[in-house]
Amino acid sequence: AQSVTQPDIHITVSEGASLELRCNYSYGATPYLFWYVQSPGQGLQLLLKYFSGDTLVQGIKGFEAEFKRSQSSFNLRKPSVHWSDAAEYFCAVQGGAGNMLTFGGGTRLMVKP
Amino acid sequence: GAGVSQSPRYKVAKRGQDVALRCDPISGHVSLFWYQQALGQGPEFLTYFQNEAQLDKSGLPSDRFFAERPEGSVSTLKIQRTQQEDSAVYLCASSLSAGVSSYEQYFGPGTRLTVT
Repeated sequence: AQSVTQPDIHITVSEGASLELRCNYSYGATPYLFWYVQSPGQGLQLLLKYFSGDTLVQGIKGFEAEFKRSQSSFNLRKPSVHWSDAAEYFCAVQGGAGNMLTFGGGTRLMVKP
Repeated sequence: GAGVSQSPRYKVAKRGQDVALRCDPISGHVSLFWYQQALGQGPEFLTYFQNEAQLDKSGLPSDRFFAERPEGSVSTLKIQRTQQEDSAVYLCASSLSAGVSSYEQYFGPGTRLTVT
């Protein structure tokens, strides 16, 4: 069965600093990987996805992620964080019933002014 | 166009009450998923429909949970005899198709259920 681990429960960065959120996955086949963001009281918004091809994928809001098969990782990065990026971030792998998503536990990002 | 909508957005139920949570998927979307998100955790899969057929319900935590999508569009998640451990946000997502992995799942805002 697939699984996703997000090792960092909370991360605090200063506005303008760079950001990297870690994600490790376990999946038996070629993984389809996603990063979602959830603001308080909101649903999940897709930031980016990886299916195949270039291992560095670009997403919305200036985010990017790099797929590293050898490390079973799909880390999310942003060069310069804005205060509006404060939210909960979820990494997910797709597979199983109807291509359901299996999520990690999430990383809560706080941004210091 | 309109996204996935869910109602009610908030529901408070006394322990033992039955509740019904509604999901309106994006028009034309074949696949519909229900997820449960406990406080401070990631969403967890509950059940999946392709059109009106419930193809997987392996994630439903007990037989008190029941989901339906009788006409292949709107879906209802029903919880009978609610317990405190049912308190969570229930998320609905729809997708254009299940057969093609590249189709994104679009999420609704969720229903926050609190059982007192």
